[in-house]
Amino acid sequence: DAKTTQPTSMDCAEGRAANLPCNHSTISGNEYVYWYRQIHSQGPQYIIHGLKNNETNEMASLIITEDRKSSTLILPHATLRDTAVYYCIVRLPRGSSNTGKLIFGQGTTLQVKP
Amino acid sequence: DSGVTQTPKHLITATGQRVTLRCSPRSGDLSVYWYQQSLDQGLQFLIQYYNGEERAKGNILERFSAQQFPDLHSELNLSSLELGDSALYFCARRSVKKTWVPTGETVLTQYFGPGTRLTVL
Repeated sequence: DAKTTQPTSMDCAEGRAANLPCNHSTISGNEYVYWYRQIHSQGPQYIIHGLKNNETNEMASLIITEDRKSSTLILPHATLRDTAVYYCIVRLPRGSSNTGKLIFGQGTTLQVKP
Repeated sequence: DSGVTQTPKHLITATGQRVTLRCSPRSGDLSVYWYQQSLDQGLQFLIQYYNGEERAKGNILERFSAQQFPDLHSELNLSSLELGDSALYFCARRSVKKTWVPTGETVLTQYFGPGTRLTVL
């Protein structure tokens, strides 16, 4: 699985958009970008994933650059409850060489401030 | 609701002891993953079971073992405990969501339980 690079920490004002970047310059053509977050000591929570196109769900939007070497997770209106560690993970889809395990990096600690 | 139940929530024990952590995924989920999160190592994959069989191994110590039962619940057994085994232990189930992509591949999403906090004194 491709390695990802994320800033260690970020701050965001409550009510504003939080934009969390992730670099994955060695991503291969069929690897997906996944985002999970972990609110203090809780189990990681799935947010969103994408391959090439931008994706949006009820939690967030995912913007993937055309060359797929980087992506940005957008929380459109951050709240205090969005304070968490956000993990960007790049991995292959299901196949004989991929059992589905997740490789977590250090993630970005997002602090939403009032 | 992640669809994963883990018991106990907290466990305090002494060095040298043995403990068993339990994970119950939602009915029908065949895959179970175990992860360890310690302060110095972060979140690390330990082991995966699929329909009762071990499917993948990560950074799991030989003192640790796991199994998945016919009803698909799983147990993680930790023995000869050391202070460094103090950590959060998470179990995750896998939901296979079919997403159309040109290659027709299947996208995997994992849902994590609330974890068991193990403290070794």
